[in-house]
Amino acid sequence: SQTIHQWPATLVQPVGSPLSLECTVEGTSNPNLYWYRQAAGRGLQLLFYSVGIGQISSEVPQNLSASRPQDRQFILSSKKLLLSDSGFYLCAWTPGQGVGGYTFGSGTRLTVV
Amino acid sequence: AQTVTQSQPEMSVQEAETVTLSCTYDTSENNYYLFWYKQPPSRQMILVIRQEAYKQQNATENRFSVNFQKAAKSFSLKISDSQLGDTAMYFCASNGGYAGNMLTFGGGTRLMVKP
Repeated sequence: SQTIHQWPATLVQPVGSPLSLECTVEGTSNPNLYWYRQAAGRGLQLLFYSVGIGQISSEVPQNLSASRPQDRQFILSSKKLLLSDSGFYLCAWTPGQGVGGYTFGSGTRLTVV
Repeated sequence: AQTVTQSQPEMSVQEAETVTLSCTYDTSENNYYLFWYKQPPSRQMILVIRQEAYKQQNATENRFSVNFQKAAKSFSLKISDSQLGDTAMYFCASNGGYAGNMLTFGGGTRLMVKP
């Protein structure tokens, strides 16, 4: 069966520090991968998506970046965090072929102080 | 661009009663999928139910069912026999026929089940 792992679960970082959030999927090949951000009590904002290794599409210009160094690994990064980067970050995957809806990771709660 | 709209930011229901959450969407595709996701206080996103647009029969999963009106582009979620554990944010979503399966989400409805 397929599983998705996302870590860390919580993170408190000072302004200006770097960020690295990791997401990995097991039990499938060539998944489509997504990073979303959710402000408290708000909806989901798509940040990045990837349909293959090294293929990253950005939906929102900002100081965040994403990379997909391996087929089932998706990393969200920042060189210098801003206060506005605080939020709840969710990774998700869908099958590369066919339709399956999203399966989400458990999320990372990021607080920038 | 595709849009998904949930017009009820908050709702409440008494335990054991039935509640319906509304969702409308806009797509020019004929073949697409619609979803309802639940986000409890833990913030884990959980798939509740999905509907394939080419199927006329409304999807059902235990106490959860949908009323899919394709012509009206409406996709409501009915929760029967509401339980305290149903308290959560509920998001409606559509893939709009995108080959990449990317979903567009509504803004969410916060549901409170009262004892």
